[in-house]
Amino acid sequence: DTEVTQTPKHLVMGMTNKKSLKCEQHMGHRAMYWYKQKAKKPPELMFVYSYEKLSINESVPSRFSPECPNSSLLNLHLHALQPEDSALYLCASSQDWYTGELFFGEGSRLTVL
Amino acid sequence: AQSVTQLGSHVSVSEGALVLLRCNYSSSVPPYLFWYVQYPNQGLQLLLKYTSAATLVKGINGFEAEFKKSETSFHLTKPSAHMRDAAEYFCAVSSNTGFQKLVFGTGTRLLVSP
Repeated sequence: DTEVTQTPKHLVMGMTNKKSLKCEQHMGHRAMYWYKQKAKKPPELMFVYSYEKLSINESVPSRFSPECPNSSLLNLHLHALQPEDSALYLCASSQDWYTGELFFGEGSRLTVL
Repeated sequence: AQSVTQLGSHVSVSEGALVLLRCNYSSSVPPYLFWYVQYPNQGLQLLLKYTSAATLVKGINGFEAEFKKSETSFHLTKPSAHMRDAAEYFCAVSSNTGFQKLVFGTGTRLLVSP
């Protein structure tokens, strides 16, 4: 059982829609991450929050907007996406310092029409 | 900068056979090394990690890996494959010198036949 919960598991949206992906963890972790994974590829880092502050933005287009309301929650707001943004979006958390021991959710599979 | 190279995008074994998945790293500083597993339609799960303690690291599900500095390798092994081991395996590296990005290899798909 994963301790990082992501909703929704599947999302289909048009290019003009606004939607959000949600992630929650109750392990007391202070760092949270968004990754994007295309089919048959490794995950690519998008954003890192450490102690609820955005620490890393890997030059992600502004149509992706992260938000960390508190230490347990992480959102990814989506607007005006492109079909090439279709992918599995993975949320992860770690205790605090970035040592690579990440706990991943099962992901939200996004399809942009 | 750190990087990892996984040799072989696919590895096929028979059930009960030895599993060997290869990973070589490049790092200018002492690395932290990891193996993650991803089952179909799921997120990644940590199998094991090397953080400069013992060079032979034991993980979950009977997997282990050996850190060999002279060969810059961190190969993953399991003595006897099970059907349930069929998955994608990612080697990853990060630095032990602060807030650094975790860098994944391209992955190796393990296929297990009866």
